[in-house]
Amino acid sequence: GDSVTQMEGPVTLSEEAFLTINCTYTATGYPSLFWYVQYPGEGLQLLLKATKADDKGSNKGFEATYRKETTSFHLEKGSVQVSDSAVYFCALSDRGSSASKIIFGSGTRLSIRP
Amino acid sequence: DVKVTQSSRYLVKRTGEKVFLECVQDMDHENMFWYRQDPGLGLRLIYFSYDVKMKEKGDIPEGYSVSREKKERFSLILESASTNQTSMYLCASSFPQGASYEQYFGPGTRLTVT
Repeated sequence: GDSVTQMEGPVTLSEEAFLTINCTYTATGYPSLFWYVQYPGEGLQLLLKATKADDKGSNKGFEATYRKETTSFHLEKGSVQVSDSAVYFCALSDRGSSASKIIFGSGTRLSIRP
Repeated sequence: DVKVTQSSRYLVKRTGEKVFLECVQDMDHENMFWYRQDPGLGLRLIYFSYDVKMKEKGDIPEGYSVSREKKERFSLILESASTNQTSMYLCASSFPQGASYEQYFGPGTRLTVT
């Protein structure tokens, strides 16, 4: 079945460092891809999305490009801030399900040092 | 803005009690979902619903049931709470159509069963 594999954490970086969190997927068909973020004590929020190959999703300085040839959707940010400390989930839409389920990766915890 | 609310942020219950977790969304979404989130295991789908009175089991339905009597409300029921059901419970909702199927999450309920 469809699945998402993302980089294990925790990832610890200094403020203003460059961030990459790797995500690859296995899917039949053409899923939509997402990055969700979960700040401490909160639910998940959609960070960005891409619905077709070569689309780039972007939000709050984060970017990810839907790469069909490498089945990847890596999350990047040029200069991280302490406020970016959170857990990040890569996910894909399961278009074959009756309610458009989303399949989530296991999450990557990011900590940013001042 | 889409709003998904959950009845409690924190809940403490005793083993054997019947527990109700309530979720309400205000965007007329057809689909609603219940997940549990545990360290190292990511998000696991318990049940979902794609219409009023319609429900399907997710990946880990054992020990849980659900109710969807109105479109905006989706309840998760623990018939007889056990300590292994101590977890963070997240509710989400989504539109049934469109290209992206993104889900909108509530803030979560942290349930402790003692």
